[in-house]
Amino acid sequence: NAGVTQTPKFQVLKTGQSMTLQCAQDMNHEYMSWYRQDPGMGLRLIHYSVGAGITDQGEVPNGYNVSRSTTEDFPLRLLSAAPSQTSVYFCASSYSRGNTIYFGEGSWLTVV
Amino acid sequence: GIQVEQSPPDLILQEGANSTLRCNFSDSVNNLQWFHQNPWGQLINLFYIPSGTKQNGRLSATTVATERYSLLYISSSQTTDSGVYFCAVANYGGSQGNLIFGKGTKLSVKP
Repeated sequence: NAGVTQTPKFQVLKTGQSMTLQCAQDMNHEYMSWYRQDPGMGLRLIHYSVGAGITDQGEVPNGYNVSRSTTEDFPLRLLSAAPSQTSVYFCASSYSRGNTIYFGEGSWLTVV
Repeated sequence: GIQVEQSPPDLILQEGANSTLRCNFSDSVNNLQWFHQNPWGQLINLFYIPSGTKQNGRLSATTVATERYSLLYISSSQTTDSGVYFCAVANYGGSQGNLIFGKGTKLSVKP
């Protein structure tokens, strides 16, 4: 099993550009989520999904969009990148919402 | 929402020393997990421990849900234990159904 796979690992964007962070898991997990990590802030939830076709907002959803067309994939879209979105992004999954959660290796995003 | 406070924020140890990290939370929870983020940024799940005590090698954790705290014990610390330790909690069925993370304890183990 590859676990939770995120791509790309590093990305530099210009302000106003859009991009998609990819996340895939091969553990047949129903629950998937995206977090961002900023210095001194811990991890904050952006969006989550409890199953294919179901998504919802977390603590900091503005500027981001998600979809869940399959159980395996949960892409995160930045609609119009802003410098405030410079961060490390983590995708995570678990068998269900209340179970042990597993993280991908992170995506380092810089918006200039 | 639930507030999560971790202490101490920073901890420096000599290799071989023991340590205790604390996680306090402001409301009842039915999910509590501890994570280690290594210096390369990778997040590893250490324990799923909404209550009780668990041990895994040199690491153990105890959660006293009724008193709203959890402790992570590291014995005979090694340089590879360095990194940031996060506690995360949730209350399914309450107003906070997704994991809320504390700000972490940064541990540095010196050889």
